[in-house]
Amino acid sequence: QQQVKQSPQSLIVQKGGISIINCAYENTAFDYFPWYQQFPGKGPALLIAIRPDVSEKKEGRFTISFNKSAKQFSLHIMDSQPGDSATYFCAAQLLFNDYKLSFGAGTTVTVRA
Amino acid sequence: ETGVTQSPTHLIKTRGQQVTLRCSSQSGHNTVSWYQQALGQGPQFIFQYYREEENGRGNFPPRFSGLQFPNYSSELNVNALELDDSALYLCASSLGGAMRYEQYFGPGTRLTVT
Repeated sequence: QQQVKQSPQSLIVQKGGISIINCAYENTAFDYFPWYQQFPGKGPALLIAIRPDVSEKKEGRFTISFNKSAKQFSLHIMDSQPGDSATYFCAAQLLFNDYKLSFGAGTTVTVRA
Repeated sequence: ETGVTQSPTHLIKTRGQQVTLRCSSQSGHNTVSWYQQALGQGPQFIFQYYREEENGRGNFPPRFSGLQFPNYSSELNVNALELDDSALYLCASSLGGAMRYEQYFGPGTRLTVT
């Protein structure tokens, strides 16, 4: 049973464009929502994260939007660059438990120059 | 500061064999989690070790077992390998206490079972 559903599976964006990835979760007890970036042959790298008491968090060109009532959150990549081409995973976590990350299935982003 | 390292990088085993994968946590981190990532999918939680004790386990059979050593490095052991065990095995480490949720991943070990 997948606890975090992620869409789209893949997307192509032009350089300078905006990439948007959406995730939805079921377990309302989740209280930490990180995004990971993974390049081929590498492990996932923590990109940005948000707690449910905040509706938006921005770090550089990356922004998380969080809608607690809809149990949805999204990643926006502004001014997308070819170096952003990677697979992005959303995840959800229960703090103060076993801290396991429940990952979405991933979105492969391709930025065309 | 050294990041999370894993060995070996790649491994080929035959069905029914046993395998041991190793992970060295990031300096100062006392918690290690293991994940299995099948091709084209997100990582799936196997188990976590905190101060040498198992602290949570995902939906994996007992033939997946682990250890954490006093220096906080860790091993993942898989017995009676099956074809479906072919995957990238990821180790993630984190600080203890209130920062235990922030996990940093190693590059993984690619296991192929034939």
